[in-house]
Amino acid sequence: DAGVTQSPTHLIKTRGQQVTLRCSPKSGHDTVSWYQQALGQGPQFIFQYYEEEERQRGNFPDRFSGHQFPNYSSELNVNALLLGDSALYLCASSLQLRWAAQYFGPGTRLTVL
Amino acid sequence: RKEVEQDPGPFNVPEGATVAFNCTYSNSASQSFFWYRQDCRKEPKLLMSVYSSGNEDGRFTAQLNRASQYISLLIRDSKLSDSATYLCVVGGSQGNLIFGKGTKLSVKP
Repeated sequence: DAGVTQSPTHLIKTRGQQVTLRCSPKSGHDTVSWYQQALGQGPQFIFQYYEEEERQRGNFPDRFSGHQFPNYSSELNVNALLLGDSALYLCASSLQLRWAAQYFGPGTRLTVL
Repeated sequence: RKEVEQDPGPFNVPEGATVAFNCTYSNSASQSFFWYRQDCRKEPKLLMSVYSSGNEDGRFTAQLNRASQYISLLIRDSKLSDSATYLCVVGGSQGNLIFGKGTKLSVKP
């Protein structure tokens, strides 16, 4: 049973560029949540996708957008990258009816230079 | 006030020690509570859920005090492999998880 997978593992971008991160949920899960974890901080909620729609959103600007596909996989897009966007981006999957039981992927470490 | 606050740490303890982590949360309507463990440069992994009656899993005991909005985690007989960052987590109203900053534990031989 495959767990949550994310790609790429690491990414280096420069300010102003755009980036797309990908996530495949755990088999059987229908909900994907994205979190940003800056160094020395706990993960912060970005948004959650269910039935291909953004259902909930944390306190992140519109530069952060996402998508969920019919197979439940998801993408996180960040436009106009800032140095402060450097972080570990974590994807978590769950069942909508048991949203609190979230399983995390290994994350994508984004460095913005 | 932050939504979830934890002891800043780090905690440096010898093998075999008992160590306790504390956490407070601000939203009295919160219904779900967890402790996660995060190893260096890895993803958070669920250690245990926390229930009002308190719950135990081997050497780990979690307690919840709703009146004080306080959560604790006790680790008995610490092992070297317990070295990690421990994250206090509360279920949010948006179907999200709200994390504390984490407390780093180092268990020394």
